[in-house]
Amino acid sequence: GESVGLHLPTLSVQEGDNSIINCAYSNSASDYFIWYKQESGKGPQFIIDIRSNMDKRQGQRVTVLLNKTVKHLSLQIAATQPGDSAVYFCAEKGADSNYQLIWGAGTKLIIKP
Amino acid sequence: NAGVMQNPRHLVRRRGQEARLRCSPMKGHSHVYWYRQLPEEGLKFMVYLQKENIIDESGMPKERFSAEFPKEGPSILRIQQVVRGDSAAYFCASSPTSSGDTEAFFGQGTRLTVV
Repeated sequence: GESVGLHLPTLSVQEGDNSIINCAYSNSASDYFIWYKQESGKGPQFIIDIRSNMDKRQGQRVTVLLNKTVKHLSLQIAATQPGDSAVYFCAEKGADSNYQLIWGAGTKLIIKP
Repeated sequence: NAGVMQNPRHLVRRRGQEARLRCSPMKGHSHVYWYRQLPEEGLKFMVYLQKENIIDESGMPKERFSAEFPKEGPSILRIQQVVRGDSAAYFCASSPTSSGDTEAFFGQGTRLTVV
């Protein structure tokens, strides 16, 4: 079946450094992708999204890159802060659905002081 | 404007009991989605509802699970005769339109523990 997966389950980064979280997806027809942040004991929080007609989108301290050729998505967080510690999920919208998101397993980001 | 409200935050049930999880969407949102999350895993879609209608329940087990979103009041996810395998975090999300094109806002979740 279709799946969205992550390369690294845990990523440790020094405070102030940049973080890159990667995601691979399998459905080349997916047209919409979202990154969510989930802090311990809380619900997922929208970070940034990107459509398949784009290859880069920037937000505040975050950048999402989409490489459709290799079906790869990444989230870059600039100058990481302790508050960035969380589990990060990528999710894709299935090509045959207007709403159903397919979620990856998540990457835990740990910020070292 | 309050966010998506879920209650209870934590729910403990004995095997065989019923669990009722409530979700009040954000004001103005008429689309509700329920997801289930096991530890160390991503969210799995269960059901999508609009007011008084179930749009898609393809992710919800056919037996013991049901969902509703009445004209008045919160959306309810009901699990009858709970088993240990039902232990998980259940998240509700709402959006003003069908999600995918508009970010959905998530509640804090209900953590169900079956003992």
